[in-house]
Amino acid sequence: EDKVVQSPLSLVVHEGDTVTLNCSYEVTNFRSLLWYKQEKKAPTFLFMLTSSGIEKKSGRLSSILDKKELFSILNITATQTGDSAVYLCAVMMDSSYKLIFGSGTRLLVRP
Amino acid sequence: GAGVSQSPSNKVTEKGKDVELRCDPISGHTALYWYRQSLGQGLEFLIYFQGNSAPDKSGLPSDRFSAERTGGSVSTLTIQRTQQEDSAVYLCASSLAPGQGDHGYTFGSGTRLTVV
Repeated sequence: EDKVVQSPLSLVVHEGDTVTLNCSYEVTNFRSLLWYKQEKKAPTFLFMLTSSGIEKKSGRLSSILDKKELFSILNITATQTGDSAVYLCAVMMDSSYKLIFGSGTRLLVRP
Repeated sequence: GAGVSQSPSNKVTEKGKDVELRCDPISGHTALYWYRQSLGQGLEFLIYFQGNSAPDKSGLPSDRFSAERTGGSVSTLTIQRTQQEDSAVYLCASSLAPGQGDHGYTFGSGTRLTVV
């Protein structure tokens, strides 16, 4: 059975801290791995990772994929209260292009 | 339109009633997906459309759930004889073509369905 597992399930930090969110996967037809940020209802896209070892960066956020060990990490440096959200990891399947989602990591950044 | 539009944004219905949820994808997007998110859970795949056909409907939880897409655009997800366990946020997403683009696909704001 295809599955995506995220850890930790929740995390509370203070502004300025650095956090690392983890995502591991076991799927039969891997195409790419995506990270989304969900604050209310609609997940908003952060990164798409297809190749191993190539870091993607956007401001204080960065992510990398390891296709040998089947995991990805999302790093957020110098966290701000606006980073508080649920971060979703998903794997895109090569066959139907559907996304298999993990259950998310709920991040709370305190002032 | 500029984004994926879903309606209604909230729906409260009585157990046993039928409901229809609508998704209007970004213009020109040929791929359309429905997902469901129960409270505190990740997103659960329901069905995928390519144009008007549904090559993958493996996520529909029961025969009470059905979906159609007409004109390669608007899609409707219908839930018949609603049950309390159907309560969730139903999210729609679209993309140019399956898996194309550098960001997977764009999600709508969802419909929050509450069955009482």
